[in-house]
Amino acid sequence: LAKTTQPISMDSYEGQEVNITCSHNNIATNDYITWYQQFPSQGPRFIIQGYKTKVTNEVASLFIPADRKSSTLSLPRVSLSDTAVYYCLVGDSFYSSASKIIFGSGTRLSIRP
Amino acid sequence: NAGVTQTPKFQVLKTGQSMTLQCAQDMNHNSMYWYRQDPGMGLRLIYYSASEGTTDKGEVPNGYNVSRLNKREFSLRLESAAPSQTSVYFCASSEREGSGEPQHFGDGTRLSIL
Repeated sequence: LAKTTQPISMDSYEGQEVNITCSHNNIATNDYITWYQQFPSQGPRFIIQGYKTKVTNEVASLFIPADRKSSTLSLPRVSLSDTAVYYCLVGDSFYSSASKIIFGSGTRLSIRP
Repeated sequence: NAGVTQTPKFQVLKTGQSMTLQCAQDMNHNSMYWYRQDPGMGLRLIYYSASEGTTDKGEVPNGYNVSRLNKREFSLRLESAAPSQTSVYFCASSEREGSGEPQHFGDGTRLSIL
C-alpha cells in the first residue's frame, strides 16, 4: 500500500482558498485517493475521493496530476469551522485488504479570523 | 439518520477490568472496523470485519477481541484492561471491504484506564 506524506500543519485566514498537498510516490494502478476531515472530539468524515484529474463536490475539490504521484485537496473560501485535521489515504476497493489501511498523522489546519 | 452509533461515549476502568464497546450501523454496510486514536496521532486499525461472520486482525490487535454479532453490530472487548489501552476508540463501516473504500465513522468512545 502506498505511503502518503502530508504537511504536519498549515495556517490560513477566513475567506482564503487552502490547498493541502499529499505525496504518494508509490501509488498503484488500482489505487484511489481519499481525503477525510476530523474535528476535535469527532470521528473522521469522508470528504472526497478521486482517481485522476479533478473531482469536485459541495465541500472541496481534489486535483490529481497525470502521474498521480501527488494530489491536492482544495478548500474554497475557508471559515473558522474548517479548522480540523485532514487525512490523505491511498488504496483500492478490490485488491488491497482493509488491513493495509494507514491513516497517518494528517495535516492540522488552523483557520484564523 | 444515525449512521454509526457507539456506546458508551466515555468510560473509566481500573487496570485488569474487562469491558465491551458497542457499535451499530444502520446503513446496511457489509464491512465494519475498530480503530484506536492516541493523542496527536492518526488512527490505527485494531480489527475489522469484511462481512458478517468474518473478522480479521489489523495493525494493533493485541489485548482486544471482537465479535460481529450480525450485519449491524460489531463489538470490541478488552478482557483485562491495561493503562496502555487508554485511547479514543472509533468504529467505522463501509459498503464493502478494501483499503480504498470510503468509511463512515462514529463519534468515538473515550476510554481511560487507571
